[in-house]
Amino acid sequence: KQEVTQIPAALSVPEGENLVLNCSFTDSAIYNLQWFRQDPGKGLTSLLLIQSSQREQTSGRLNASLDKSSGRSTLYIAASQPGDSATYLCAVRKRGDEKLTFGTGTRLTIIP
Amino acid sequence: DTGVSQDPRHKITKRGQNVTFRCDPISEHNRLYWYRQTLGQGPEFLTYFQNEAQLEKSRLLSDRFSAERPKGSFSTLEIQRTEQGDSAMYLCASSLEGLSGYTFGSGTRLTVV
Repeated sequence: KQEVTQIPAALSVPEGENLVLNCSFTDSAIYNLQWFRQDPGKGLTSLLLIQSSQREQTSGRLNASLDKSSGRSTLYIAASQPGDSATYLCAVRKRGDEKLTFGTGTRLTIIP
Repeated sequence: DTGVSQDPRHKITKRGQNVTFRCDPISEHNRLYWYRQTLGQGPEFLTYFQNEAQLEKSRLLSDRFSAERPKGSFSTLEIQRTEQGDSAMYLCASSLEGLSGYTFGSGTRLTVV
């Protein structure tokens, strides 16, 4: 059974700093990995999608990497802003499976 | 296309009542998914459709839950005889078969009192 872990559960950093969020998964036979952002009481907004054949994806100040063999992904946020405050969720889709398995998220607070 | 739409955004119901939620996916997406999220947890898979066919159901989906996608477009999720443990955010997502990721809606927050 695929298990996804996100550490830390919560993170507070001053505005302007670069930061890294971590995601690990137990089964490396994945189809893709997706990072989402969730604001309190809201739905999920897709940030980046990495296919199993890719090593990284970039969008603006966000960069996500994938190391299948070690079962890890990181989300790098550059020059953090207060508007980046949210919960960040990592989700893995296993090969041959339709559903996503989510971690419990990292709650990020950017301090002005 | 404005993305995945869910209705209502919030629902408060008394224990034992039935509730129904609606999801309108992105029009060209042929796959539709329902997830449930409780406070402090990641979303958990409930069921998914490819076109109008319901292809997989989680064991979380008890016999009080039923989902339909009658014409391969919008979907409904009904919960009968609601219990307090059903209180959660119900999220709908859609995707296009192939390499696309999921697009989620804003969710329906259910509170059972």
